Amino acid sequence: EAGVTQFPSHSVIEKGQTVTLRCDPISGHDNLYWYRRVMGKEIKFLLHFVKESKQDESGMPNNRFLAERTGGTYSTLKVQPAELEDSGVYFCASSLQGRSGNTIYFGEGSWLTVV
Amino acid sequence: DAKTTQPPSMDCAEGRAANLPCNHSTISGNEYVYWYRQIHSQGPQYIIHGLKNNETNEMASLIITEDRKSSTLILPHATLRDTAVYYCIVRVAGTGRRALTFGSGTRLQVQP
Repeated sequence: EAGVTQFPSHSVIEKGQTVTLRCDPISGHDNLYWYRRVMGKEIKFLLHFVKESKQDESGMPNNRFLAERTGGTYSTLKVQPAELEDSGVYFCASSLQGRSGNTIYFGEGSWLTVV
Repeated sequence: DAKTTQPPSMDCAEGRAANLPCNHSTISGNEYVYWYRQIHSQGPQYIIHGLKNNETNEMASLIITEDRKSSTLILPHATLRDTAVYYCIVRVAGTGRRALTFGSGTRLQVQP
């Protein structure tokens, strides 16, 4: 069974450009999460989808970030326009909509460098 | 979700057991203890979780104290590949509506 997959694995863009990160969760997982880690900082939660609905977007840093999950399958995270401080690694994760102790599984991340 | 406290770093000799402690004194009755690790800059990897009973899987054992205010992750025979940052996270289980909150974790260095 495939795990959480993310694309691209690495991206280098100029300040002001747009980047779109994609995440394919584990098949059948209704919950999808985005996290990021910027240099030297802790892993921070960005937002949480349940199917196609945003359950919690309290971690989104500002309105330059837009996440979508049309159809409740894969998700995209767009950064527009990108700023230098957006550099870091963006992790996607997914889990089942379970009753107890449901485990969250992470992808390998998408590295973003804004120059 | 309850806050956790972990030592910032630990060393362990290769082949020996690594015992990683975690304090979660404000844990509630419906909160699970989860352990994840991040090897270098890879995605966080799930290790194990438990509610109140001790748990064991192919990767590790989780020992939770009777009052549930602390726990220990045990890697029985640490290898160099176990060098990573280990995160102890307390999370309300249920319908999956809660994300994980990562702290700074414990950096485990396995020495040859």
